[in-house]
Amino acid sequence: QVQLQESGPGLVKPSQTLSLTCTVSGDSVSSGGYYWTWIRQYPGKGLEWIGYVYNGGTTSYNPSLKSRVTISLHTSKNQLSLEVNSVTAADTAVYYCASSIAFSGYDYWGQGTVVNVSS
Amino acid sequence: QSALTQPASVSGSPGQSITISCTGTSSDIGGYNYVSWYQHHPGKAPKLIIYEVNYRPSGVSHRFSGSKSGNTASLTISGLQAEDEADYHCSSFTTSNTLVFGGGTTLTVL
Repeated sequence: QVQLQESGPGLVKPSQTLSLTCTVSGDSVSSGGYYWTWIRQYPGKGLEWIGYVYNGGTTSYNPSLKSRVTISLHTSKNQLSLEVNSVTAADTAVYYCASSIAFSGYDYWGQGTVVNVSS
Repeated sequence: QSALTQPASVSGSPGQSITISCTGTSSDIGGYNYVSWYQHHPGKAPKLIIYEVNYRPSGVSHRFSGSKSGNTASLTISGLQAEDEADYHCSSFTTSNTLVFGGGTTLTVL
């Protein structure tokens, strides 16, 4: 059973970089076939797919965020990370890490971490 | 990429059936059978209830079913129960090798 746990600062100032970590247990982030993903939920309701990393380092990002986002794997710590540059209030959300086998649905999720962007 | 279109809310009485639609384009729902549905109770992580259009993960009730016609996917919940009250989100793989979600639907059990 894969377990995921997000961590990071709950408050980030506008124009700064948001950095989050997701610690994985129950499997290795180096395992082939898993798409390690970041997803966020705005205060309203909708979910937004941020991007994923798989197969050791191949990434794909939401086109609307691509210029500001980096997702990386840290195999020695069995973690994945998310960096979002030049944040604004619009980046305020609950951030989730999740995993799937190919595109067959995200069957494992972290509990989510709240990030507020405010001065 | 544009979000998939879902109704903002649906409602039904216990025991009834409801259907939630999720409309996209030929570049996402219409082009692939990688449609998923998630049940999301406030304060909890989303739960996968349907994957690849109409498959249920182990442990998910048979009351949940999925289908697709053209660019529109649907989630049907039969025999509504109070515990089904939650937000429901659809998602689809896209031609850009990305994923897109719908705006979410709030289900109220009357």
